[in-house]
Amino acid sequence: DSGVTQTPKHLITATGQRVTLRCSPRSGDLSVYWYQQSLDQGLQFLIQYYNGEERAKGNILERFSAQQFPDLHSELNLSSLELGDSALYFCASSVARGGPEYGAGELFFGEGSRLTVL
Amino acid sequence: QKEVEQDPGPLSVPEGAIVSLNCTYSNSAFQYFMWYRQYSRKGPELLMYTYSSGNKEDGRFTAQVDKSSKYISLFIRDSQPSDSATYLCAMSAWGGGADGLTFGKGTHLIIQP
Repeated sequence: DSGVTQTPKHLITATGQRVTLRCSPRSGDLSVYWYQQSLDQGLQFLIQYYNGEERAKGNILERFSAQQFPDLHSELNLSSLELGDSALYFCASSVARGGPEYGAGELFFGEGSRLTVL
Repeated sequence: QKEVEQDPGPLSVPEGAIVSLNCTYSNSAFQYFMWYRQYSRKGPELLMYTYSSGNKEDGRFTAQVDKSSKYISLFIRDSQPSDSATYLCAMSAWGGGADGLTFGKGTHLIIQP
């Protein structure tokens, strides 16, 4: 158990709909990352938050948004869903904000939320 | 050309064999290199973490980085059926994944009892 909790584990919805995925990081971790994993693209970095502030952005679509709340949990909002959005969405957390002096590099991943868009 | 290339496998070897897993990359800014292991229906978990070039050993696992060739390897000695999983290489220019880790697509490894 990594200590990172993601809900829901499975979600089935229709095209055009909107869903919210939730992540609770490990106790004490300030950074939260969102990744999308699909068979053809592998694990793709979407976005990172550090202590409530957006810190880095990857291949996140404009239809997607995220935020990190004062209690450090994070939500990923996916809207106007398309068939191609079907994937595993992982949340990861770490204590580090960057640099080897922070013991950087270790991300703790949750078990993912499997989204199926029909 | 993708930033990180990794053979998806599957790679099937008998128990006890030495396994070699590899990734190549194109971004010379990468200086933090990691190997993650992912079991079916689970999230990835960090196995090895190295900074810059060189070797690092941890039990049955050895990670090698050759920045001049842009090539990283993970060796597993005395492989066990419990090592059967997908192995993902990951790398970043800044530690802590501050720019987000770039992952290979993963190699599916099967250790036959």
